[in-house]
Amino acid sequence: QKEVEQNSGPLSVPEGAIASLNCTYSDRVSQSFFWYRQYSGKSPELIMSIYSNGDKEDGRFTAQLNKASQYVSLLIRDSQPSDSATYLCAVVVPGAGSYQLTFGKGTKLSVIP
Amino acid sequence: EAGVAQSPRYKIIEKRQSVAFWCNPISGHATLYWYQQILGQGPKLLIQFQNNGVVDDSQLPKDRFSAERLKGVDSTLKIQPAKLEDSAVYLCASSLDPGVVADTQYFGPGTRLTVL
Repeated sequence: QKEVEQNSGPLSVPEGAIASLNCTYSDRVSQSFFWYRQYSGKSPELIMSIYSNGDKEDGRFTAQLNKASQYVSLLIRDSQPSDSATYLCAVVVPGAGSYQLTFGKGTKLSVIP
Repeated sequence: EAGVAQSPRYKIIEKRQSVAFWCNPISGHATLYWYQQILGQGPKLLIQFQNNGVVDDSQLPKDRFSAERLKGVDSTLKIQPAKLEDSAVYLCASSLDPGVVADTQYFGPGTRLTVL
């Protein structure tokens, strides 16, 4: 059973602070890792992807991957109220002749003005 | 570039009725996915098509759910008969290259189904 675990939150941070979102996964053959943002009533949108160990930065977002610990995280610097959303961690594992996304339940982030 | 299109956006039905959802992927995208997202959960893959063939439908409740992708373009997901627990958002996604492990999936706006 492939599992992706996230704290459901809500995680509340003040505006301007760093928000730290965490995700663990169970399948060691997982190859690619994604963070999606989902606003209430909207569909998921990709914000970051990471494939190798270490950090990857894109603007205010940094994804961190540690395959040995089966752990991936997302840091949001200078958090803004517009960052308030649910953040979904997704992991790609080989499926039946293809590559499939398995999602966690998501962490709800609230940025307080 | 136009995104993934879905219709209808909302649907309310009685239990035991049937319902169908339609999806048109991004032009040129070979792979099409249907996900079910229950409130408070992450999306769960129901079925994956590559062109017009089924790659994986292991999580599709085949006694009541069916899906097809004729001509390798748009797709229809059907539920017959619907149960209360089918109330969810049904998301369609597409990706360009099925052979790329890191290929990005783009999601449509979803169809919110309420079964009464």
